[in-house]
Amino acid sequence: GDSVTQMEGPVTLSEEAFLTINCTYTATGYPSLFWYVQYPGEGLQLLLKATKADDKGSNKGFEATYRKETTSFHLEKGSVQVSDSAVYFCALPTGGGNKLTFGTGTQLKVEL
Amino acid sequence: GAVVSQHPSWVICKSGTSVKIECRSLDFQATTMFWYRQFPKQSLMLMATSNEGSKATYEQGVEKDKFLINHASLTLSTLTVTSAHPEDSSFYICSATPGRGRETQYFGPGTRLLVL
Repeated sequence: GDSVTQMEGPVTLSEEAFLTINCTYTATGYPSLFWYVQYPGEGLQLLLKATKADDKGSNKGFEATYRKETTSFHLEKGSVQVSDSAVYFCALPTGGGNKLTFGTGTQLKVEL
Repeated sequence: GAVVSQHPSWVICKSGTSVKIECRSLDFQATTMFWYRQFPKQSLMLMATSNEGSKATYEQGVEKDKFLINHASLTLSTLTVTSAHPEDSSFYICSATPGRGRETQYFGPGTRLLVL
């Protein structure tokens, strides 16, 4: 079945460092791909998405490019801030497009 | 736009009691709502999918008699944890989509349940 694999965390970076969180997927066809962010004690927020191959989703300085040749959707940010500390989830729609399958989440901690 | 609220945000109850959690879409009509459960430092586990006006579809292993879901209107779904026990303590999150087959889900802030 469709699945998402994320790199294990936690990831600890210094402020202004470059961030990459890896995400690869297994799916039938070419589904949309999503990154969600969960700040401490809160629900999930949609961070960005891409709906087809070679699309780049971007928001708040974060980017991810949908690469079908490597079945990847890695999340990147050029310069992280302490406020980016959160758990990041990669996801794709399953079950006919109605449900979401999430990766296990990657915790990011940014220190001064 | 696309705001989803949950109430309460925190609830503590005694073992054996029932707890109701509300999920509301504030600025859109949610044909479909989802209920998730999240354990500490783990991903979200989908419990059930609820379509307005019809019975919820539960995921395998989720007891429908224990987790009662009602989606009586296009802006409100409720999850009732019946006869709660300490093992039901968890973070419950709902999400909503504006239409059937729409992929983007908008999430509520979550409800933390502690059963003593």
